[in-house]
Amino acid sequence: DARVTQTPRHKVTEMGQEVTMRCQPILGHNTVFWYRQTMMQGLELLAYFRNRAPLDDSGMPKDRFSAEMPDATLATLKIQPSEPRDSAVYFCASAPGQGSYNEQFFGPGTRLTVL
Amino acid sequence: GNSVTQMEGPVTLSEEAFLTINCTYTATGYPSLFWYVQYPGEGLQLLLKATKADDKGSNKGFEATYRKETTSFHLEKGSVQVSDSAVYFCALRNSGNTPLVFGKGTRLSVIA
Repeated sequence: DARVTQTPRHKVTEMGQEVTMRCQPILGHNTVFWYRQTMMQGLELLAYFRNRAPLDDSGMPKDRFSAEMPDATLATLKIQPSEPRDSAVYFCASAPGQGSYNEQFFGPGTRLTVL
Repeated sequence: GNSVTQMEGPVTLSEEAFLTINCTYTATGYPSLFWYVQYPGEGLQLLLKATKADDKGSNKGFEATYRKETTSFHLEKGSVQVSDSAVYFCALRNSGNTPLVFGKGTRLSVIA
């Protein structure tokens, strides 16, 4: 049963620390998305990649957030330095192919708490 | 721009009650429409989808019909169960493998 995996599932850190979240997309999926979920804002798109190339990262605060795909099996989202307002659940999703009907498969999320 | 508006929750229903969660959208072109469900502590899962006008998506007793004339995609279920308690998200995608645009989500609680 192919799934998107994310690590860590939970992270508690102090303000100013670096946080790295990792995502393993489903093998063969060529598009990877990062979303952030908060009570106030709901689900927001942060960035997405196709064939490992970033297509849109306009949803990310550029001064502190960075997203990369070092290879086809790993996507990373890094926050440096972290701030309390970054506390949220961060979801990775992957999708195959090009069609608009293609389902996006979500990982279980990383719950980040910045103290 | 593209946007999705869904009814605010929380919605609380008794078991076996009829469920409707309203969803309307604004989009250029001809979007595909989706309902995702998020159970407590989990990621989102696709519940159903419809890719063109008048299509009906269905799964696990849930249904939604793509209504182009009213730009709506309301989610319905005839008889809810306690296990349906979750947050439901309406979403659209306009073309290609582009990101989904989500509504704010509607929390459903079903009590026995």
